[in-house]
Amino acid sequence: GENVEQHPSTLSVQEGDSAVIKCTYSDSASNYFPWYKQELGKRPQLIIDIRSNVGEKKDQRIAVTLNKTAKHFSLHITETQPEDSAVYFCAANLIKAAGNKLTFGGGTRVLVKP
Amino acid sequence: KAGVTQTPRYLIKTRGQQVTLSCSPISGHRSVSWYQQTPGQGLQFLFEYFSETQRNKGNFPGRFSGRQFSNSRSEMNVSTLELGDSALYLCASSEPPAMGDEKLFFGSGTQLSVL
Repeated sequence: GENVEQHPSTLSVQEGDSAVIKCTYSDSASNYFPWYKQELGKRPQLIIDIRSNVGEKKDQRIAVTLNKTAKHFSLHITETQPEDSAVYFCAANLIKAAGNKLTFGGGTRVLVKP
Repeated sequence: KAGVTQTPRYLIKTRGQQVTLSCSPISGHRSVSWYQQTPGQGLQFLFEYFSETQRNKGNFPGRFSGRQFSNSRSEMNVSTLELGDSALYLCASSEPPAMGDEKLFFGSGTQLSVL
């Protein structure tokens, strides 16, 4: 089955700096890669996703890049703010008729220091 | 619309007991998936139900089971509880056709503690 590795496990950045989280996946058939943010004590929420037919996607201060050949994808957060402090999870899935079976990475705890 | 609702919010059980957790998806959502969240293992996929049928299953022992009712509400059951089953159990629902690239809406989870 699919295996997703995520690095680093913790990341501390100064407010205003950029943060980068990297994930690698094992199943070359995976074609959908979402990122979820989980603030302390709250439920995970989707922040951005990318499909394998796209190399990069951006939404305001966050962007995701995908390298299918190397089987890795990354989350980039620019101009970090204290509200970006959270745990971020990458995930991989295969889009098909048989639905949801997301494989998540281990998570990255991001701390933005004011 | 109301969000995904999970009950109970907290549960304390002892080893060997069984437990049933409940999840009510967002109205109109037919896919319900369950995840186990632990500090060391992150989010691990348990199973997914769609229209009362289990469509996908993760790598958990048979002690973990689930079902889905005609109104899309889902329950998961863990029998013969072990200490290692202590975790936050999250369910998530998604809009049809639920092919695997829809946004998951998570519930707040049930925190299970096994003593």
